[in-house]
Amino acid sequence: EPEVTQTPSHQVTQMGQEVILRCVPISNHLYFYWYRQILGQKVEFLVSFYNNEISEKSEIFDDQFSVERPDGSNFTLKIRSTKLEDSAMYFCASRELAGANQETQYFGPGTRLLVL
Amino acid sequence: AQKITQTQPGMFVQEKEAVTLDCTYDTSDPSYGLFWYKQPSSGEMIFLIYQGSYDQQNATEGRYSLNFQKARKSANLVISASQLGDSAMYFCAMREGKGRDDKIIFGKGTRLHILP
Repeated sequence: EPEVTQTPSHQVTQMGQEVILRCVPISNHLYFYWYRQILGQKVEFLVSFYNNEISEKSEIFDDQFSVERPDGSNFTLKIRSTKLEDSAMYFCASRELAGANQETQYFGPGTRLLVL
Repeated sequence: AQKITQTQPGMFVQEKEAVTLDCTYDTSDPSYGLFWYKQPSSGEMIFLIYQGSYDQQNATEGRYSLNFQKARKSANLVISASQLGDSAMYFCAMREGKGRDDKIIFGKGTRLHILP
């Protein structure tokens, strides 16, 4: 069964460093999302992406964050200068344009980011 | 105000018993979708079941069923014949927005422990 994949599974970085989290959405999906989950808290929406542009972003998604679809398969989240409070699990999700499951967002396994 | 409310932070249930996880939601949009996701200790977010606001029948997926009571704005998850592997965090979630502007809003979750 097709699934969303994310790399790396874990990343440790120093405060102020740039990180890029990578996602490969399900191949026929056209809507892409990033969410984050700070340890012990609920999952929060960061950004949605469609047709090579951001559809919506939350107040969390400030100028330090950016997303890109550099090729036909990858979808990336970049944090330019990481802060301690960026430590969280980051989930990528994707959804198909049409079909029986068009309403469902399928999540990747997550990248656990730790900022020291 | 919370849009998704899960009032049970934790539950302990004997193996093979049925479990009901509570969820209430708040929206003024006539078109919405409700989801349940499972998050085991490994951290990934696993889609379980979806209910559309216009669906006449309650959704079912194997041992999972969604008890959808629209007038009460309730979307409880029922797990029949619970198994040890059902021990996990369970999130109720709601789709907000349509098309390219949709996102999922999550509840705080219920941690389910299945006892042998």
